[in-house]
Amino acid sequence: QMQLVQSGSELKKPGASVKVSCKASGYILTNFAINWVRQAPGQGLEWMGWINTNTGNPTYAQDFTGRFVFSLDTSVSTAYLQISTLKTDDTAVYFCTRRMGAWYFDLWGRGTLLTVSS
Amino acid sequence: QSALTQPASVSGSPGQSITISCTGTASDIGGYEYVSWYQQHPGKVPKLIIYDVTDRSSGVSNRFSGSKSGNTAALTISGLQAEDEADYYCSSFTSFNTLVFGTGTKLTVL
Repeated sequence: QMQLVQSGSELKKPGASVKVSCKASGYILTNFAINWVRQAPGQGLEWMGWINTNTGNPTYAQDFTGRFVFSLDTSVSTAYLQISTLKTDDTAVYFCTRRMGAWYFDLWGRGTLLTVSS
Repeated sequence: QSALTQPASVSGSPGQSITISCTGTASDIGGYEYVSWYQQHPGKVPKLIIYDVTDRSSGVSNRFSGSKSGNTAALTISGLQAEDEADYYCSSFTSFNTLVFGTGTKLTVL
């Protein structure tokens, strides 16, 4: 069946970097855009942006420019989220989602818990 | 882009109906028919329940319905059941070619 399989939990120190993966299974990655959503502990959903899986062109939400990079490796049907210069405020669950044409998300990864702590 | 405004909490008894509002602006909810609603149980992944303002996602009960008037969208759940207790989030496409989520609403079934 169709799935987005995300990499496991990460524990990082402030200032480090992390790369989260999101592998599309059961469908062709390049048929749909991949979006990233953050959820801090006890907080709501935040849209981080999306990557065009045909062109590799990323679009970042205003609060997610500079330290956040979306990328792809279509040969392994995988999208990536890289965050550099980690801060404790980056502690959150990061979801990848499949976006249907009219801006809704019908398929979600299980989320990757990132904990940033010294 | 500010988050869409939702009530922090709503509650209802089993069998009752409740409505969750989601208020935005003419640059998001008011300008497009691209409002979606998600249900999230504690510790779980969000689940799409409504898209394009009124369309139910596959397999979602017809007790869930969506609507929109002006800059405000709404999710109505009729015949409340214990399993409906969850957090609910709206979202909308915006004129900036971005997406914005609502602040989230915790539904308690009494």
